[in-house]
Amino acid sequence: KAGVTQTPRYLIKTRGQQVTLSCSPISGHRSVSWYQQTPGQGLQFLFEYFSETQRNKGNFPGRFSGRQFSNSRSEMNVSTLELGDSALYLCASSLGTSWDNNEQFFGPGTRLTVL
Amino acid sequence: AQSVSQHNHHVILSEAASLELGCNYSYGGTVNLFWYVQYPGQHLQLLLKYFSGDPLVKGIKGFEAEFIKSKFSFNLRKPSVQWSDTAEYFCAVSQGGADGLTFGKGTHLIIQP
Repeated sequence: KAGVTQTPRYLIKTRGQQVTLSCSPISGHRSVSWYQQTPGQGLQFLFEYFSETQRNKGNFPGRFSGRQFSNSRSEMNVSTLELGDSALYLCASSLGTSWDNNEQFFGPGTRLTVL
Repeated sequence: AQSVSQHNHHVILSEAASLELGCNYSYGGTVNLFWYVQYPGQHLQLLLKYFSGDPLVKGIKGFEAEFIKSKFSFNLRKPSVQWSDTAEYFCAVSQGGADGLTFGKGTHLIIQP
């Protein structure tokens, strides 16, 4: 069974631009969560989607948004990029929501660099 | 908000040494507990998990962890480490849905041959 895939793997943007990252979950998984990983803050939860609905949201500004499609694929968008948004963005999928004690499987991440 | 503390940020051991990595969390209610590992150049992989039942859980590659509710701890152990265990180890906690997984800052483990 194929794992979680994320595209693109690397991205370079400039301040003020916006970016869209994509995640394809493991086949059959209906929940997708997004995390930001930085050297200073570590891994931080962004949001979780299940059946096209946002279930949970972490403590990030409104510039960070996401959505999930009917095939469970998910995208996250960051608008008006800031230098501090440079990070590894990780996507994780699970069969059900995190309320249901589901194990999360992580993708390789998208490395975003903001210049 | 939930917080997770990993006491050791960098650990250097020799092969065959025993390993124990500490993890403490702040939430007093029902939690699900995880240890993830990130090998150099690879993505996060689940080592082991605790949802309920026996507080001593066994994972892949000879790792185990013990959940001690009274101490809010979930320490990771391995009796004899190998060079291939060199990696970043993350403890994570879930409160059953709220706020997704909360991760510790990670422990960078280096095993010297």
